[in-house]
Amino acid sequence: AQSVTQPDARVTVSEGASLQLRCKYSSSVTPYLFWYVQYPRQGLQLLLKYYSGDPVVQGVNGFEAEFSKSNSSFHLRKASVHWSDSAVYFCAVSKQGTGSKLSFGKGAKLTVSP
Amino acid sequence: GGIITQTPKFLIGQEGQKLTLKCQQNFNHDTMYWYRQDSGKGLRLIYYSITENDLQKGDLSEGYDASREKKSSFSLTVTSAQKNEMAVFLCASSIRTANTGQLYFGEGSKLTVL
Repeated sequence: AQSVTQPDARVTVSEGASLQLRCKYSSSVTPYLFWYVQYPRQGLQLLLKYYSGDPVVQGVNGFEAEFSKSNSSFHLRKASVHWSDSAVYFCAVSKQGTGSKLSFGKGAKLTVSP
Repeated sequence: GGIITQTPKFLIGQEGQKLTLKCQQNFNHDTMYWYRQDSGKGLRLIYYSITENDLQKGDLSEGYDASREKKSSFSLTVTSAQKNEMAVFLCASSIRTANTGQLYFGEGSKLTVL
């Protein structure tokens, strides 16, 4: 079975600083990997996804993530955060060929301070 | 674009009560899901449905029933609400055949049991 671990439940960074949110996955085969974001009082929205190919994938609003098979990781990065990036970020994994059944991590609450 | 509508947005119940949440989507998606979101625990899959009249148990199905009578709607019933229970229930949908793992979420229904 697939699973993801997000080791940092709460992260605070200053506006303009760089950001990295960590995600480690467990899967017997190379999975599909996703980052979702949940803004206050909203549902989750897809930020970016990795299926295969270039290990660095670009998402919306300047976010990117890098897949590492050797480290079983899919860390999310942003060069310069804005206060509007404050939200909860979820890493998710699904097994290739099994449709859309996702397993989510516990989430990382990001607070961007002025 | 489409939208997922969850009703009610807030639900207050009594211990032992049977409570029903409803979800409607106009994406014309085949697959629909119910997730439970608890603070610090991420999202856990309760039920999903690949097509009309199909039901599949997720990791957290005990204590819940689901119903998919139409392609566009998916209902979840808490069979016996637990005292002091508090959680957010998220409905989502996806295109089954795309196999992309991309889900579209509603804004959630917050349950409080007194």
